[in-house]
Amino acid sequence: AQSVTQLGSHVSVSEGALVLLRCNYSSSVPPYLFWYVQYPNQGLQLLLKYTSAATLVKGINGFEAEFKKSETSFHLTKPSAHMSDAAEYFCAVTTDSWGKFQFGAGTQVVVTP
Amino acid sequence: EPEVTQTPSHQVTQMGQEVILRCVPISNHLYFYWYRQILGQKVEFLVSFYNNEISEKSEIFDDQFSVERPDGSNFTLKIRSTKLEDSAMYFCASNRGPGELFFGEGSRLTVL
Repeated sequence: AQSVTQLGSHVSVSEGALVLLRCNYSSSVPPYLFWYVQYPNQGLQLLLKYTSAATLVKGINGFEAEFKKSETSFHLTKPSAHMSDAAEYFCAVTTDSWGKFQFGAGTQVVVTP
Repeated sequence: EPEVTQTPSHQVTQMGQEVILRCVPISNHLYFYWYRQILGQKVEFLVSFYNNEISEKSEIFDDQFSVERPDGSNFTLKIRSTKLEDSAMYFCASNRGPGELFFGEGSRLTVL
């Protein structure tokens, strides 16, 4: 069985500051890892994914994440926050690579001017 | 860009009533899913569907729930007799195979 833990349900960052969202996973087999973003009143949009290729994954909107097996982590970062980054971010894991994903509880990002 | 579409965006119903949530997956996708998100909680897997049958379902997906692909484009979730705890956002998703899930914008169900 697999699971995901996101540290911090709310994160507040200043515009232009580093965004760091933490995700740790638990899996007995090599995982596939994803970050999704949910803007208000919208669905889940894929930011980026790790599927056992490069450990540093670049996604849309300037986000990237690094898969660290030794730390069982897949933290999401963006060097400089923009007001439009305000949203809820979900880390997800699957081990069978099909559609049964385990989602984290989500991290709400607030960007202040 | 192709997208998953869901209707209705919001439905209010009385406890005990039947509800059908509809989804049109991306046209060349073969695998279909329903997830739900109770307010303030995690997004949870409900069911996966492939080749006109359920391939996997969670403990949440009990006998009150059913899914159907009535034609070549629609994928529906039926809740036979709604309970208060069924109030949630229901997301449809699809993909062609292993990897990324493509989600719809969700249908918010409110059971009174």
